[in-house]
Amino acid sequence: QKEVEQNSGPLSVPEGAIASLNCTYSDRGSQSFFWYRQYSGKSPELIMFIYSNGDKEDGRFTAQLNKASQYVSLLIRDSQPSDSATYLCASYTGGFKTIFGAGTRLFVKA
Amino acid sequence: GAGVSQSPSNKVTEKGKDVELRCDPISGHTALYWYRQRLGQGLEFLIYFQGNSAPDKSGLPSDRFSAERTGESVSTLTIQRTQQEDSAVYLCASSSGHNTEAFFGQGTRLTVV
Repeated sequence: QKEVEQNSGPLSVPEGAIASLNCTYSDRGSQSFFWYRQYSGKSPELIMFIYSNGDKEDGRFTAQLNKASQYVSLLIRDSQPSDSATYLCASYTGGFKTIFGAGTRLFVKA
Repeated sequence: GAGVSQSPSNKVTEKGKDVELRCDPISGHTALYWYRQRLGQGLEFLIYFQGNSAPDKSGLPSDRFSAERTGESVSTLTIQRTQQEDSAVYLCASSSGHNTEAFFGQGTRLTVV
């Protein structure tokens, strides 16, 4: 069983819609979670992190964490074509180790 | 340094040759990761260093792959007797390990012909 799982996609949404990206993790000791965005041909870059159960909002992005269900998600409101990228979920398990999922490809259609 | 630096940025090699990829992490970062990313695919974990020890080598795909790290500094990923399926972008990332983000280098694009 992979430690951090994501649907590889592609997830396709029309411009202006809400894109919902999901991630599950297996280690209940995971302390915090990160969402990275990777444009084609570029390296991943951090867009959000979340430590506590509930929602965390930053502009058009909302991260949601449910530790009981071992589930973390990223919502992108008012999706733009420029949001088209691969989104990587990562969990920090302590011991200096961060584990990445394989990523979900998002396409926002103009 | 200001960021994670990887070299070379591009490498074309003949099948069967050995290659060495280098990663200079951000100064002071304890954790260092190597990932492989094939064209259009997600990140594939290779190895993780904490300092100069590697508590998790589970992602190395075969014994042709090895990695070393000097203290909390430079790491090298060596691929011996390269095969065409080794062609990919090899990404290095480092983090301070204290529940913070991992910073990625720009990657080395390896092409085995």
